[in-house]
Amino acid sequence: DARVTQTPRHKVTEMGQEVTMRCQPILGHNTVFWYRQTMMQGLELLAYFRNRAPLDDSGMPKDRFSAEMPDATLATLKIQPSEPRDSAVYFCASGFDTGELFFGEGSRLTVL
Amino acid sequence: GEDVEQSLFLSVREGDSSVINCTYTDSSSTYLYWYKQEPGAGLQLLTYIFSNMDMKQDQRLTVLLNKKDKHLSLRIADTQTGDSAIYFCAERGTGANNLFFGTGTRLTVIP
Repeated sequence: DARVTQTPRHKVTEMGQEVTMRCQPILGHNTVFWYRQTMMQGLELLAYFRNRAPLDDSGMPKDRFSAEMPDATLATLKIQPSEPRDSAVYFCASGFDTGELFFGEGSRLTVL
Repeated sequence: GEDVEQSLFLSVREGDSSVINCTYTDSSSTYLYWYKQEPGAGLQLLTYIFSNMDMKQDQRLTVLLNKKDKHLSLRIADTQTGDSAIYFCAERGTGANNLFFGTGTRLTVIP
């Protein structure tokens, strides 16, 4: 049963620490997305990749966030340094160009 | 830019029908989607409709699309307590890879 896998599921850290979230997309999918979900803002698109190339990261605070796909089986989202306002659930999703998106279970981040 | 709007909350009694509404602004939308999010989980695709269709039915789910008014609705017949979740409307524009999501509607089913 193919699924998008995200780690860690939960992360509590202190302000200023580096946080790295990882995502294993479904094998064969050529698009990967990072979304952030908060009560106030809902679902926000942070970045997305097509065939491992970054297509749009305009939703991401560039000074502290970075997203990469070192290979087809791994996407990473890094926050350095983290701030309390980064507390949210971060979702990774993968899919094909025009098909549905399959979401991971999310990584819940709490920055104290 | 794209804007997708939904009401935040809906409560219905078990066995009744639920209707969740969504409006969008992008007239070039090609596909419109309904996703369901249960507590502590990611989003799961429920159904989708192509923009040249008016209606799509899938078991207890009926999707209606009014392209002129840019209005999409999801009707759940015989709503069950297991249908309690957040429902997101999303649209994909022409040539776009990403989806734009609404705020989500939290459906509460009262036994």
